[in-house]
Amino acid sequence: ETGVTQSPTHLIKTRGQQVTLRCSSQSGHNTVSWYQQALGQGPQFIFQYYREEENGRGNFPPRFSGLQFPNYSSELNVNALELDDSALYLCASSLVRGEGTQYFGPGTRLLVL
Amino acid sequence: AQTVTQSQPEMSVQEAETVTLSCTYDTSENNYYLFWYKQPPSRQMILVIRQEAYKQQNATENRFSVNFQKAAKSFSLKISDSQLGDTAMYFCAFMSYSGAGSYQLTFGKGTKLSVIP
Repeated sequence: ETGVTQSPTHLIKTRGQQVTLRCSSQSGHNTVSWYQQALGQGPQFIFQYYREEENGRGNFPPRFSGLQFPNYSSELNVNALELDDSALYLCASSLVRGEGTQYFGPGTRLLVL
Repeated sequence: AQTVTQSQPEMSVQEAETVTLSCTYDTSENNYYLFWYKQPPSRQMILVIRQEAYKQQNATENRFSVNFQKAAKSFSLKISDSQLGDTAMYFCAFMSYSGAGSYQLTFGKGTKLSVIP
């Protein structure tokens, strides 16, 4: 069984640019959630996708957007990057949309200069 | 809004000894789920243990067990026979329904555990 994978592992961007991060869910998992983890902090919920639609969002501005594809893989897009967007971005998948346990990928480290 | 508090930023334990990590949370909900995740320096977040709030029995996974006190809103993690591989950041997390069919995790700030040979 393949676990959650994310790409790329590291990324460097400059302020104002746009970035796309990718996530492949664990086999059979239909729900994907994205989290932002700033250095020294716990992860913070960005949003969740189920059946290709966003169905829950944390306290993040609209320049954070996402997609989920029919094979349940997902993308996180961030427009107009700011220095504070520098963080580890974690993707998590779960077998069921409800209270299913979320399993995390290794993350993408984004540095905004 | 739910909050999760981990009051111990760092802890250390001798190999083979037992250590307990503390976590408290604040919620007005009755149905929820609690988790402990481990994040080694390699950064992959790994599930350690899960507890359903409606279950009175404390969850156990091999050397890991929890002390769940619902009335006190406390959820501590006990690691027995600590091993060098247990060295990691440990996060306590709370899951509840957040609307529109979504269940989100709220994390504490973490406890950095070092196992000393």
